[in-house]
Amino acid sequence: EVQLVESGGGLIQPGGSLRLSCAASGFTVSSNYMNWVRQAPGKGLEWVSVIYSGGSTKYADSVKGRFTISRDNAKNTVSLQMNSLRAEDTAVYYCASGFCGGGTCYPVYFHHWGQGTLVTVSS
Amino acid sequence: EIVLTQSPATLSLSPGERATLSCRASQSVSSYLAWYQQKPGQPPRLLIYDASNRATGIPARFSGSGSGTDFTLTISSLEPEDFAVYFCQERGSWPPITFGQGTRLEIK
Repeated sequence: EVQLVESGGGLIQPGGSLRLSCAASGFTVSSNYMNWVRQAPGKGLEWVSVIYSGGSTKYADSVKGRFTISRDNAKNTVSLQMNSLRAEDTAVYYCASGFCGGGTCYPVYFHHWGQGTLVTVSS
Repeated sequence: EIVLTQSPATLSLSPGERATLSCRASQSVSSYLAWYQQKPGQPPRLLIYDASNRATGIPARFSGSGSGTDFTLTISSLEPEDFAVYFCQERGSWPPITFGQGTRLEIK
């Protein structure tokens, strides 16, 4: 059974940094597309970033230059380094895998999800 | 950036009824659209990908249709566990990727 478990969230002041981690089991992160998707409290969903199996990355404009996605193959984890945090970054951050179906793999259809970790940016 | 507009915002129906949810894109996304279900306190669940393909393990009562700018998620006969919030999501010309604002399906 695939499990994704996020950690590292918390309360942080504006301008601060935080590092989120996503630990996978029953699943190899290096063989899959891995994403971060966030959801502000009571709001909709926003895609944040993806890391491809080959290691290339993409970001939403709202976080480009501030957030960095990375992967540790030995630990089977994906991380999101978040710098220069703003109030509008407050959200539950989900780790989510891409989806493979019908013989094709899709980086940005989100199949397996973690339960999320809450990041609150406030003074 | 493509904007996805879902309607209605809230849909009130009874178990056994048919649900029809709409998602309209501000420009064509071809068939590159997915639907998700989200229940309170849970992450979303992928239901439909590429407009009309059911994801792994999704019951046959869920179906998707449409292409270009107009898409529909249909639940043929509502079960009690289907009452939730539904989001559409496009990957037409990503990045960026956008989601609709959601339709709340509530018990009448």
